[in-house]
Amino acid sequence: NAGVTQTPKFRVLKTGQSMTLLCAQDMNHEYMYWYRQDPGMGLRLIHYSVGEGTTAKGEVPDGYNVSRLKKQNFLLGLESAAPSQTSVYFCASTTAKNTEAFFGQGTRLTVV
Amino acid sequence: AQKVTQAQTEISVVEKEDVTLDCVYETRDTTYYLFWYKQPPSGELVFLIRRNSFDEQNEISGRYSWNFQKSTSSFNFTITASQVVDSAVYFCALSGPTGGFKTIFGAGTRLFVKA
Repeated sequence: NAGVTQTPKFRVLKTGQSMTLLCAQDMNHEYMYWYRQDPGMGLRLIHYSVGEGTTAKGEVPDGYNVSRLKKQNFLLGLESAAPSQTSVYFCASTTAKNTEAFFGQGTRLTVV
Repeated sequence: AQKVTQAQTEISVVEKEDVTLDCVYETRDTTYYLFWYKQPPSGELVFLIRRNSFDEQNEISGRYSWNFQKSTSSFNFTITASQVVDSAVYFCALSGPTGGFKTIFGAGTRLFVKA
């Protein structure tokens, strides 16, 4: 079982460029999440999805968009990257609310 | 509002010492869930434990133990006889209906265990 897989693992963007981070899970989980991790701030929820075709905003959604066209995939898009979006991004999935989360390996994004 | 506070930013201990990581939470919910996750130097986050608000029994798993006290809104994590492999960042987290059951994480505590 691969679990939760994120691609890419590393990326450097120039300010204003766009990119999409892909998260794929093979556990048939309903819920998927995108977090960003910054020093001293823990993990902050960007967007999440409670099922295929649904998305919702988390704590820090500005500057990001998401899509969940297939149950197993959750995409995070940056339309116009800014240096403030330099961070480590984690995708996670759960079977339901309040259950343990399975995390991907993380994507280290640097915006210059 | 929901909030998780991990006041200890970094802790350094020598191998075989016991260490307690503190977690204090705030919530108005009567039903909620608390979690601990470990993030080793490799970067991935690993689930350690989940506790619901109606179960205040302490839990022990090998060298790990958790103390949940609703009276002080704390969910502390103790590692007994620490080992170098315990070096990691540990996150406490909270989930409840007020936040739409979204999981809120604390800032994390970085534990260094020296040989």
